[in-house]
Amino acid sequence: GQNIDQPTEMTATEGAIVQINCTYQTSGFNGLFWYQQHAGEAPTFLSYNVLDGLEEKGRFSSFLSRSKGYSYLLLKELQMKDSASYLCAVLDSNYQLIWGAGTKLIIKP
Amino acid sequence: GAVVSQHPSWVICKSGTSVKIECRSLDFQATTMFWYRQFPKQSLMLMATSNEGSKATYEQGVEKDKFLINHASLTLSTLTVTSAHPEDSSFYICSAREGSFYEQYFGPGTRLTVT
Repeated sequence: GQNIDQPTEMTATEGAIVQINCTYQTSGFNGLFWYQQHAGEAPTFLSYNVLDGLEEKGRFSSFLSRSKGYSYLLLKELQMKDSASYLCAVLDSNYQLIWGAGTKLIIKP
Repeated sequence: GAVVSQHPSWVICKSGTSVKIECRSLDFQATTMFWYRQFPKQSLMLMATSNEGSKATYEQGVEKDKFLINHASLTLSTLTVTSAHPEDSSFYICSAREGSFYEQYFGPGTRLTVT
């Protein structure tokens, strides 16, 4: 079966750095997405990785290792507005998005 | 950037009635649209995938006669929840994809409450 695992909840301090991990087992792989979702709102796109390595975009970076079935989202200089759920999703061989359950990130002052 | 709108943003209806939710791609042609449902504190659950001009493909466990999906044009898809019950109360989100591009653009969601 297809499976995506990410921690349910994480807590971090404002100004700090946090890494949210995601491991996956899917039928085929056409890329991995990270989305941010604030409570009561739709997801917003953060990043897309299809090749191994680190992609940096401002305070957010995303890493992918296809051989390990592993990705992480790195958030630097945390701000209170970063409190949200972070969803990992993999595009499988049918170009269907397989979603993780999301990681709720709580930022404390 | 690509924008997807949904209407209404929230709706309250009585049990047994039907509700229609519209999803529109405003600045691109959406060859494929997706409908998701999300219960509180849970992740997105794909309900169905629809391609313009053809019947929607429903995920296992989703009743196609209860959740009617119409993707009549390249910019509009509708989801009709028929004979709604309180357990259908949820956050319904659509997304759209343009051609073979991999990225899905999400609408803002519709919160449905059935009383």
